[in-house]
Amino acid sequence: AQRVTQPEKLLSVFKGAPVELKCNYSYSGSPELFWYVQYSRQRLQLLLRHISRESIKGFTADLNKGETSFHLKKPFAQEEDSAMYYCALGSGSARQLTFGSGTQLTVLP
Amino acid sequence: DTGVSQNPRHKITKRGQNVTFRCDPISEHNRLYWYRQTLGQGPEFLTYFQNEAQLEKSRLLSDRFSAERPKGSFSTLEIQRTEQGDSAMYLCASNIVPRNTGELFFGEGSRLTVL
Repeated sequence: AQRVTQPEKLLSVFKGAPVELKCNYSYSGSPELFWYVQYSRQRLQLLLRHISRESIKGFTADLNKGETSFHLKKPFAQEEDSAMYYCALGSGSARQLTFGSGTQLTVLP
Repeated sequence: DTGVSQNPRHKITKRGQNVTFRCDPISEHNRLYWYRQTLGQGPEFLTYFQNEAQLEKSRLLSDRFSAERPKGSFSTLEIQRTEQGDSAMYLCASNIVPRNTGELFFGEGSRLTVL
């Protein structure tokens, strides 16, 4: 069965500092990984997906199959990055998502 | 707003009562998903529809839960004989195939509190 682990429930960094949100997965097939974000009082929305290999709002994430990880990184955190971040694994016939438990990121001024 | 719409946004009910939630997906989206999220956890997959067909159900979806999408547009999720353990946020999401990029578009959720 697939599993997504986000070891940090809470993460605080100062503005301008680098930030890394950890995500590890367990899946026997070829993984399809995503980061979703939920800003305060907003709905859950896609931040980025591994297959696109893109940078969104300065965030990047690299799939490391050897370490089964998909960590989210940003070199210089901004206060507006404060949000709940969920790592998710797509699988099954409809690529239904298995989510991690989330990391609440707070960027301090 | 043409996003996914859910109602009611909040529902407080007594144990043993039945509740129904409605989801209106983005209009051209043919896939519709239901997730449940409890406090401190990420969303958990419950079921999904492609058009009006319910194609998969999680083992989390007990016999007290039933979901429908009768005309392939809006969907309802009914919980019968609610229990306190049913208290959660119920999220609906949609997307479109075969243009599926894997992205799900979520609604704001329906929060259920069972007293």
